[in-house]
Amino acid sequence: DAGVIQSPRHEVTEMGQEVTLRCKPISGHDYLFWYRQTMMRGLELLIYFNNNVPIDDSGMPEDRFSAKMPNASFSTLKIQPSEPRDSAVYFCASSYSSSEAFFGQGTRLTVV
Amino acid sequence: RKEVEQDPGPFNVPEGATVAFNCTYSNSASQSFFWYRQDCRKEPKLLMSVYSSGNEDGRFTAQLNRASQYISLLIRDSKLSDSATYLCVSQGDKIIFGKGTRLHILP
Repeated sequence: DAGVIQSPRHEVTEMGQEVTLRCKPISGHDYLFWYRQTMMRGLELLIYFNNNVPIDDSGMPEDRFSAKMPNASFSTLKIQPSEPRDSAVYFCASSYSSSEAFFGQGTRLTVV
Repeated sequence: RKEVEQDPGPFNVPEGATVAFNCTYSNSASQSFFWYRQDCRKEPKLLMSVYSSGNEDGRFTAQLNRASQYISLLIRDSKLSDSATYLCVSQGDKIIFGKGTRLHILP
């Protein structure tokens, strides 16, 4: 397996634009997590899914953020409209049950 | 109170020394605990799981104290390649990371 795959690796966008981040988890994993990492706040859990169902989205900062998981092999995190304070590295991770989480390489988002 | 708290460091330690990190967690219902390592501009990767009885993996020793709700990581005979950020993780129904402790091993 190629591991967790995220795209794009880098995204630079203008304030107000819609941004969509994509994630392909490891095949067979039943949990998928979206994290955001900044120097100030560290690694923050935004939302997680179990068997494609959103379980806890209490970490999603605002209504501008939304996440979907239409099937077991794909998830998206969307920011609309984007703001400069959304600039961060966004990680997707997947795990099987309560075992270790495997991370993708992250998407470095810059909103100007 | 944050769910998982760590001293951010940085810890500047000479090569060959022993260094220890502690981490506290607030959710007494947490079931599993881990230490992850994150190199600069890379994703976090599992370093080791933490078991109630304590566990060792080469130069690394992890311990869990459920009564006091803290986790520790000990690195013996530190190497230059140990320089990284070490993230403490508490896992119950969700996986919560501490902000990490930065370690610099000095030649």
